[in-house]
Amino acid sequence: NAGVMQNPRHLVRRRGQEARLRCSPMKGHSHVYWYRQLPEEGLKFMVYLQKENIIDESGMPKERFSAEFPKEGPSILRIQQVVRGDSAAYFCASSPPSGQGYEQYFGPGTRLTVT
Amino acid sequence: SQQGEEDPQALSIQEGENATMNCSYKTSINNLQWYRQNSGRGLVHLILIRSNEREKHSGRLRVTLDTSKKSSSLLITASRAADTASYFCATDLGSGNTGKLIFGQGTTLQVKP
Repeated sequence: NAGVMQNPRHLVRRRGQEARLRCSPMKGHSHVYWYRQLPEEGLKFMVYLQKENIIDESGMPKERFSAEFPKEGPSILRIQQVVRGDSAAYFCASSPPSGQGYEQYFGPGTRLTVT
Repeated sequence: SQQGEEDPQALSIQEGENATMNCSYKTSINNLQWYRQNSGRGLVHLILIRSNEREKHSGRLRVTLDTSKKSSSLLITASRAADTASYFCATDLGSGNTGKLIFGQGTTLQVKP
């Protein structure tokens, strides 16, 4: 049973470009969470999605960031017009259909560097 | 202010010694979870303790939860060099919350061989 998969593992973008980060949850999991980790800091919640629905996006910056979890395929975190401050590790986590109140399984992360 | 704050920020011990890390939080929780992160890697789930539980064990790990003091501790007994990592507590606020986790800043543990 493969774990949570994220790709790419490393992504370099110039300022102003777009970054697309992908997350495939564990098999059978229908809840996906995205977190951002700045250097030397803990993880900060960004968004929580279920299939085709955004449930909680209270941690998402109001501009340039968007997320989706389509019926088919991976969850996508999209950052438009990246700036240097977007450089961070972005982690995806999934949990089973019972969702809340259970442990989350984390992917290896995507390390975004904006030059 | 942080929901989860961890203490100490850094800890250095010799192999074989015990390591204790503490986590304090501010609001009521549904559960509290501990994760380990090796340098440059993803997070590995260690233990989940629910608000109605006081203590849980998993191998060399022991977690306690004191909801009256809003604090938790993680004890690693007989530490090994491979335990070197950052350890994070994360709270699930429950009721009305969407299951998102609020992470502390972490404790960096170094175990010297």
